[in-house]
Amino acid sequence: GAGVSQSPSNKVTEKGKDVELRCDPISGHTALYWYRQSLGQGLEFLIYFQGNSAPDKSGLPSDRFSAERTGGSVSTLTIQRTQQEDSAVYLCASSQIAGTYNEQFFGPGTRLTVL
Amino acid sequence: KQEVTQIPAALSVPEGENLVLNCSFTDSAIYNLQWFRQDPGKGLTSLLLIQSSQREQTSGRLNASLDKSSGRSTLYIAASQPGDSATYLCAVRRRNYGQNFVFGPGTRLSVLP
Repeated sequence: GAGVSQSPSNKVTEKGKDVELRCDPISGHTALYWYRQSLGQGLEFLIYFQGNSAPDKSGLPSDRFSAERTGGSVSTLTIQRTQQEDSAVYLCASSQIAGTYNEQFFGPGTRLTVL
Repeated sequence: KQEVTQIPAALSVPEGENLVLNCSFTDSAIYNLQWFRQDPGKGLTSLLLIQSSQREQTSGRLNASLDKSSGRSTLYIAASQPGDSATYLCAVRRRNYGQNFVFGPGTRLSVLP
């Protein structure tokens, strides 16, 4: 079956521009996560969606970052007024939640380069 | 604050060797621990997930153990192959922090033919 997909795979933008990154989770997965992986750094949690509950935005680094999840499926991560330090690989993951069981499945990521 | 460390940072072994990767976490209040592999330029592939009530999980040549009280997990790879070359990451899901996972920095493994 289809896994998690992300688009675009690569995005180059100029400092100050806005960008949108898209994630299509595995069908039927109610949970969706966004992470950021900077060069030489570990994965940094950004935001989590679960069903119709309010998202956990505790990992968003600034108010320039926002995310939406429409219809409980596709999600868009938006970065406004991009800065060079936003350059990173943005990874999306989805999972089914069953009690404390929540194995995450990741997409291939979007590599963002801010010039 | 939960901190996850992985030792070693990098490892190079000849093909056929058995090897152990280590993951340590500072707060034992976790729901589960998950091991991933990441190939260069790719996303993460889930290998094994261990619930906090479990002590180990096995999949093929991989065996992961969990000692929650001491804050440690190991990933054992038997009869290593060049195709096992990748970065291996562990992640813990913390209790009382929703779905917030904390990842280790990874171990970069090279298996030489």
